[in-house]
Amino acid sequence: EPEVTQTPSHQVTQMGQEVILRCVPISNHLYFYWYRQILGQKVEFLVSFYNNEISEKSEIFDDQFSVERPDGSNFTLKIRSTKLEDSAMYFCASSIQPGQGYNYEQYFGPGTRLTVT
Amino acid sequence: QKEVEQNSGPLSVPEGAIASLNCTYSDRGSQSFFWYRQYSGKSPELIMFIYSNGDKEDGRFTAQLNKASQYVSLLIRDSQPSDSATYLCAVNTGQAGTALIFGKGTTLSVSS
Repeated sequence: EPEVTQTPSHQVTQMGQEVILRCVPISNHLYFYWYRQILGQKVEFLVSFYNNEISEKSEIFDDQFSVERPDGSNFTLKIRSTKLEDSAMYFCASSIQPGQGYNYEQYFGPGTRLTVT
Repeated sequence: QKEVEQNSGPLSVPEGAIASLNCTYSDRGSQSFFWYRQYSGKSPELIMFIYSNGDKEDGRFTAQLNKASQYVSLLIRDSQPSDSATYLCAVNTGQAGTALIFGKGTTLSVSS
């Protein structure tokens, strides 16, 4: 069964450093998302991406964040200058195969645990 | 501010019983409703989705939606210890590419 994959599973970085989190969405899905979950808190939406453009973003997704689809399979989240409060699990998700009814379901990858020290 | 509310639990049921999980949402524009299961340290796993008022059954799971009351529930029949997890309710406007708004989740514990 197709699934979303993410690398790395765990990333440790120092405050102020740049990190890139990588995701391979489900093949043929058209929409891609990033969510984060701070330990013990709820899952929070960061950004959605379609047709090489951001379609929606949250207040969390400020200028230090960016997303990119550098090739036909990868989808990346870059955090330019990490802060302690960026420590969280970051989940990539994807949705919608063409011609498949409503198809609003979002399928999540296993996540990258980001630790900022 | 769009909110999704769930009782945090824990909800404890014996093996074989029915577990009932509830969720309310604030945005009347919500059109799509999802239940995810999340084991500790793992990612959310989609287990049910419902778009129309009424009941939707899939195996041991039944999702119920009442848009007038802004209420969605999940019933788990014949609960198993492996069902012990946190269940996340999520909603969105039903438009492609839009954010899921998650509740904090209800922790379910099924005892054998």
